[in-house]
Formats: sequence, structure tokens, C-alpha cells
Amino acid sequence: KAGVTQTPRYLIKTRGQQVTLSCSPISGHRSVSWYQQTPGQGLQFLFEYFSETQRNKGNFPGRFSGRQFSNSRSEMNVSTLELGDSALYPCASSFYSGGRDEQYFGPGTRLTVT
Amino acid sequence: KNEVEQSPQNLTAQEGEFITINCSYSVGISALHWLQQHPGGGIVSLFMLSSGKKKHGRLIATINIQEKHSSLHITASHPRDSAVYICAVTYGGATNKLIFGTGTLLAVQP
Repeated sequence: KAGVTQTPRYLIKTRGQQVTLSCSPISGHRSVSWYQQTPGQGLQFLFEYFSETQRNKGNFPGRFSGRQFSNSRSEMNVSTLELGDSALYPCASSFYSGGRDEQYFGPGTRLTVT
Repeated sequence: KNEVEQSPQNLTAQEGEFITINCSYSVGISALHWLQQHPGGGIVSLFMLSSGKKKHGRLIATINIQEKHSSLHITASHPRDSAVYICAVTYGGATNKLIFGTGTLLAVQP
């Protein structure tokens, strides 16, 4: 069974630009969660999608948005990029949503904003 | 104060030593996760537990719900165990949102 895949793996953008990251969950998984990892703040929850509906959203500005498609693939978008958005963005998938299911992480997209 | 506290923050061990990493949390949880991240690498889920104890190879994870405390043990440590170990919790409800500890950086020297 293929694992969680994320594209692109690396990305360099300029301040003010926007970016779209993609996460393809394990086949059959319907929940996709997005996280941000920075040296200063560690890992933080961005949002979770389950069956195309946003289940929960973390404490991030509205520049961060996401969506999920009918095949469970998810995208997150960051508009008007800031230097502080430079981070690793891993996503995780699971079959259920409810906090009692193992989550499988993708390798992450490393975003650098210059 | 963080919702999830880990100790120690840094740990250096000699190959073969028994290692313990601790995690405590402040309110009731649905499940606790132990994650591993090698330098420059992705996050790997090691264990998810809501009670008792789980074992996988040289790794053992335990949780005490009453004391709101979990431990990750590594027996016969090896340099390839060098990584950051992260404790995370979910609070249930209709969400898989993880709240993370700050991680423990483990270095196992040969």
C-alpha cells in the first residue's frame, strides 16, 4: 500500500507570492490533517479535512486555507507569503476522524520564502 | 505552560544503554502518540495508545491515564535511534487534531 505522498517536496518562493501544496493520503483514508513545523514554534496544527469538510482549524491567519477533493486528496494554499512562512509542512492521513486513529505522515513540503 | 510537556529536552546515551523519555499532559485525552523524526527527515508514527503498554521491537510505550503521563523506552539503544522523539495528544471529538510536545533530541554515541 502506497504511503502518504506530498508534492512538491521542496519549494522556493518570494515574499508576496502564493503557493499551493498537495497531499495524497493512503488509499481509503478520508481524513487529512496539515501541520507546520518551524524551529521556533515546533509542530503546530493547521487544519483537518474529512470527507471534503473542514473539521477543525488551528490558530493561523486567513492567508492559510485548504480544501479536500472527492478522492480525499487535499491541497493547502498560502497567499501573500511572508518570511515567517518558511517551514516544513507535513500532512497526515487516517481512516477515521475522532482522535483515536493512527495518523500516517507524509514526508512534508519544505517551503522557503525569500 | 505547554499542554504537553516532554523531558528531557536533550539526551545523550552510549550505545546499548536503556533510554526513557517522559511525556505529561494537563487534561484528559483520547489518545497519545509517540513520533520519531530523524534529522532532515519526515515524521514517523511509532505508537498510538490510550491505555496500558505497547511494544514494537526495542521500543516500549506506556501510559498512565490517572497520572496523565506516558513514557517511551528504548532498550539496547543504537546510533540509528538518534532522532527527535515527539509526544502528541488528541482530545477526541470529531477531530484528529494533534497537540505536540517540544520533542526530545536523542543522540546515541557508538
